[in-house]
Amino acid sequence: IVLTQSPGTLSLSPGERATLSCRASQGVSSNYFAWYQQKPGQAPRLLIYDTSSRATGIPDRFSGSGSGTDFTLTISRLEPEDIAVYYCQQYGDSPPRYTFGQGTKLEIK
Amino acid sequence: QVHLVESGGGVVQPGRSLRLSCAASGFTFSSYVMDWVRQAPGKGLEWVAVIWYDGSNKYYGDSVRGRFTISRDNSKNTLYLQMNSLRAEDTAVYYCAASEGGATFDYFGQGTMVSVSS
Repeated sequence: IVLTQSPGTLSLSPGERATLSCRASQGVSSNYFAWYQQKPGQAPRLLIYDTSSRATGIPDRFSGSGSGTDFTLTISRLEPEDIAVYYCQQYGDSPPRYTFGQGTKLEIK
Repeated sequence: QVHLVESGGGVVQPGRSLRLSCAASGFTFSSYVMDWVRQAPGKGLEWVAVIWYDGSNKYYGDSVRGRFTISRDNSKNTLYLQMNSLRAEDTAVYYCAASEGGATFDYFGQGTMVSVSS
């Protein structure tokens, strides 16, 4: 399965709403879809798992949705600290393998 | 709290071998599936390998299968990655990751850099 993220780069102002998209080449189980945030110079961090569940400590400004082949990460009110690259990821279990999207770079104006 | 610390990275010539380690603390290591994920300079994330809780099952990404071997020692709370026949395209930061359910990467270490160059 190939995951394609759009847009490649997103430039928005603080307080705006960000909508990041991830499209899969085949249907993906909602239980096996996640989003990660990678800030400059840092390791990735799990944001959203099972398509829409926030990981521990993730603010409710972050939300995930979608099903089948189309998934979305929404950041409701952008803050300067949200500058990062965001990756989607899916898990396939026969045999187990993991695929990442190519990433969306979020810039704050 | 969960703490993952990778070590063993460095500069190595093409065709040589390297062994990475990941020391885990702050959680019950044997209750987590463990993975290696890598990131080439300026590129995105690529899954490398996964090992089941008790080491009974191991799976690899297409680009490393047959060259890399993942293992774990639950008595030492340590994950390993034996990398043989290294290529220039293996140059990357290698992260170890812990997964409670096996489908997502719940926690990452800070990474260790591997450079393959003559």
